[in-house]
Amino acid sequence: EDKVVQSPLSLVVHEGDTVTLNCSYEVTNFRSLLWYKQEKKAPTFLFMLTSSGIEKKSGRLSSILDKKELSSILNITATQTGDSAIYLCAVINTGGFKTIFGAGTRLFVKA
Amino acid sequence: DVKVTQSSRYLVKRTGEKVFLECVQDMDHENMFWYRQDPGLGLRLIYFSYDVKMKEKGDIPEGYSVSREKKERFSLILESASTNQTSMYLCASSSPPVMNTEAFFGQGTRLTVV
Repeated sequence: EDKVVQSPLSLVVHEGDTVTLNCSYEVTNFRSLLWYKQEKKAPTFLFMLTSSGIEKKSGRLSSILDKKELSSILNITATQTGDSAIYLCAVINTGGFKTIFGAGTRLFVKA
Repeated sequence: DVKVTQSSRYLVKRTGEKVFLECVQDMDHENMFWYRQDPGLGLRLIYFSYDVKMKEKGDIPEGYSVSREKKERFSLILESASTNQTSMYLCASSSPPVMNTEAFFGQGTRLTVV
């Protein structure tokens, strides 16, 4: 059964800290991995990682895909209170239309 | 600015009621999805549609049905609501190819069944 596992489930840090969120997957016919940020509303897209683009960076956020280890990490440097959110990892396979989501990591950044 | 709109942010319904959750997107996307989100379980796919009048079951379709009469609108129907359907429901849309494209989400409907 395809699955995506995120860790930790929740995390509390101080402003300015650097955090690393983990995502591992067991998916047949992997195609791509996506990271989303969900605050109080809809998840918003952060990154997409495929075999041809295994590292992405945007400002203080960066993500790496390790196809050998079947995992990805999302790094946030110099965290701010506005980074407080649930971070969702999702994997798309080539077998169909499905996107398999992890349970998410709830990040809380204290001022 | 892309937009996926769900008709209600919060709903409270009684057990046994028929419940309609509506989702509209203005991006001319072919694909639309309904997920439910529960703590510790992440997003789970209920149904999706890749064209008007086409629908496919996701991972947890039991107790739900869907309707896609127009390209921009995808409705989720709870035929007879039960307390275990209390959850956050999220609608999403994307354009083909489904693989390797991001999905745009609505704001979610928090449904409570009492």
